[in-house]
Amino acid sequence: KQEVTQIPAALSVPEGENLVLNCSFTDSAIYNLQWFRQDPGKGLTSLLLIQSSQREQTSGRLNASLDKSSGRSTLYIAASQPGDSATYLCAAPDTGTASKLTFGTGTRLQVTL
Amino acid sequence: DTGVSQNPRHKITKRGQNVTFRCDPISEHNRLYWYRQTLGQGPEFLTYFQNEAQLEKSRLLSDRFSAERPKGSFSTLEIQRTEQGDSAMYLCASSWDRARRELFFGEGSRLTVL
Repeated sequence: KQEVTQIPAALSVPEGENLVLNCSFTDSAIYNLQWFRQDPGKGLTSLLLIQSSQREQTSGRLNASLDKSSGRSTLYIAASQPGDSATYLCAAPDTGTASKLTFGTGTRLQVTL
Repeated sequence: DTGVSQNPRHKITKRGQNVTFRCDPISEHNRLYWYRQTLGQGPEFLTYFQNEAQLEKSRLLSDRFSAERPKGSFSTLEIQRTEQGDSAMYLCASSWDRARRELFFGEGSRLTVL
């Protein structure tokens, strides 16, 4: 059964800093891995999806990496802004499936002025 | 493309009442998923459909819960005889079953059981 862990649980940084969020998963035979953003009381917004054949994926100031052999993924946010404040969730497919996702509990990010 | 739509966004009900949530997926997506999320936790899988077929149900989905996707388009999630422990955000997502298989979520339906 897939298990996903995210560290740290919460993070506060001043505006402009670069930061890294960490995600680890137990079953490395994954089809892909997704990172999501969630604002309070809202649904999930897909940020990046990395296919198993890829090592990283970039979108604007966001870069996600995937190391299947070690069961780790990182989300790098460059030049953080107050608007980046949200909870960031990592999700990996369950063992033997390509779509049913297991989520971590998220990293709550606050970017201060 | 209007994204995944969920209704109602908020529902407050008394214990013992039945509630129903509706999800309209992205039109070209053939897979539809229901997740539940409680405060401070990540979403937990409940069930998913490919077209109109319900392919998997979580053990979290007790017999008070039922989900349907009758024509392979929208889906409903019904909770009968609600309990206070059912209070949560119910999230719907959709995807295509080929290529990237990226999941897209709706805004969720928040249930409060008094």
